[in-house]
Amino acid sequence: AQTVTQSQPEMSVQEAETVTLSCTYDTSESDYYLFWYKQPPSRQMILVIRQEAYKQQNATENRFSVNFQKAAKSFSLKISDSQLGDAAMYFCAYRSATGGSEKLVFGKGTKLTVNP
Amino acid sequence: DTGVSQDPRHKITKRGQNVTFRCDPISEHNRLYWYRQTLGQGPEFLTYFQNEAQLEKSRLLSDRFSAERPKGSFSTLEIQRTEQGDSAMYLCASSRGATLYNEQFFGPGTRLTVL
Repeated sequence: AQTVTQSQPEMSVQEAETVTLSCTYDTSESDYYLFWYKQPPSRQMILVIRQEAYKQQNATENRFSVNFQKAAKSFSLKISDSQLGDAAMYFCAYRSATGGSEKLVFGKGTKLTVNP
Repeated sequence: DTGVSQDPRHKITKRGQNVTFRCDPISEHNRLYWYRQTLGQGPEFLTYFQNEAQLEKSRLLSDRFSAERPKGSFSTLEIQRTEQGDSAMYLCASSRGATLYNEQFFGPGTRLTVL
């Protein structure tokens, strides 16, 4: 079974600075998808960024980018120019691309605090 | 385009009672998912529907849990004989399917408290 590990329960960053959230995963599959979701306090979870395992190029979405290291099974999220609105729980998630399963497997999350 | 909606948003019940939650997916989405999130944890997958067919169930979904999606639109999740360990946020998500990433869009959740 696949597992996702987020080793940083909490992180903090100064407004306008850059922060990197870590995520590692365990799988024997060669093709899969990886996601970062953001869950603001008392609000619903939204997708931040996504990556397909077969794509070498790291995904970017505005201030958000990932460092995908397939051999190391690592998928870290970098937030540049942090804003107060970035404060939230961030979850890393894995989904298989084979076998028909569509479930997302989540890590335990990292709580990000942005200090003004 | 309205998002995924869930009802109720909060439910407090006594141990042993039955509860039912409803999820309305985004209108053109044919896939619907249920997850459970306990305090300090990430969401855990419970079950998934494609149209009205329940295609995948987690071992977390005990005999007390049942989910339906009778007409391939909204879904209900029922918990019978609730236990204190059922206290959690129940999240619903939907997706269009047939796309590369098949992004799942989440609803606001139903927070269940079992006394």
